[in-house]
Amino acid sequence: KNQVEQSPQSLIILEGKNCTLQCNYTVSPFSNLRWYKQDTGRGPVSLTIMTFSENTKSNGRYTATLDADTKQSSLHITASQLSDSASYICVVSDRGSTLGRLYFGRGTQLTVWP
Amino acid sequence: EADIYQTPRYLVIGTGKKITLECSQTMGHDKMYWYQQDPGMELHLIHYSYGVNSTEKGDLSSESTVSRIRTEHFPLTLESARPSHTSQYLCASSESETGVLDEQYFGPGTRLTVT
Repeated sequence: KNQVEQSPQSLIILEGKNCTLQCNYTVSPFSNLRWYKQDTGRGPVSLTIMTFSENTKSNGRYTATLDADTKQSSLHITASQLSDSASYICVVSDRGSTLGRLYFGRGTQLTVWP
Repeated sequence: EADIYQTPRYLVIGTGKKITLECSQTMGHDKMYWYQQDPGMELHLIHYSYGVNSTEKGDLSSESTVSRIRTEHFPLTLESARPSHTSQYLCASSESETGVLDEQYFGPGTRLTVT
């Protein structure tokens, strides 16, 4: 069964600290993996997209890694800010259909305290 | 920020009422999608469209219907709302020819509460 599992479910950190969010998936065949940031009451916004051949991609203070062999990804946030408080969603796309179906994780709820 | 809009942002309505959730995008994208999301849960695809006059049901069974008469507009309709329809509804769009990436841009969502 194609699944995307994220950990931890929730995380609280102090402003200025770093953190790492985890994503494990069983989706096959694999096309790409995306990390989205979803603020409360808003739609998700893309942070990074990585294909099979990429093992790291950065977007400002966000760095995503991908290990396609172990089917694991991580999102590292450096020098956290209050505005980083949001849900971070891992999404994996397959190529098993013309739609290129997306499989969503339940997200990690990050709270940054001052 | 993507140019995709949803109205209303919040809606509280009684059981049995007919409702239409609006979604429009100004990016000229051919593909559009409707997702349903409950608090703390993953997004579930309920409808999608490849272009004008094309609509398909998604993975999650839904009593809602959609139409695609214009490229930029993809409304979702519930003929008779029930409390079980209470959820957040997210609209998204993507280009038709972007290779493997096919990045989806999401609207702000409509929070629907049926009493």
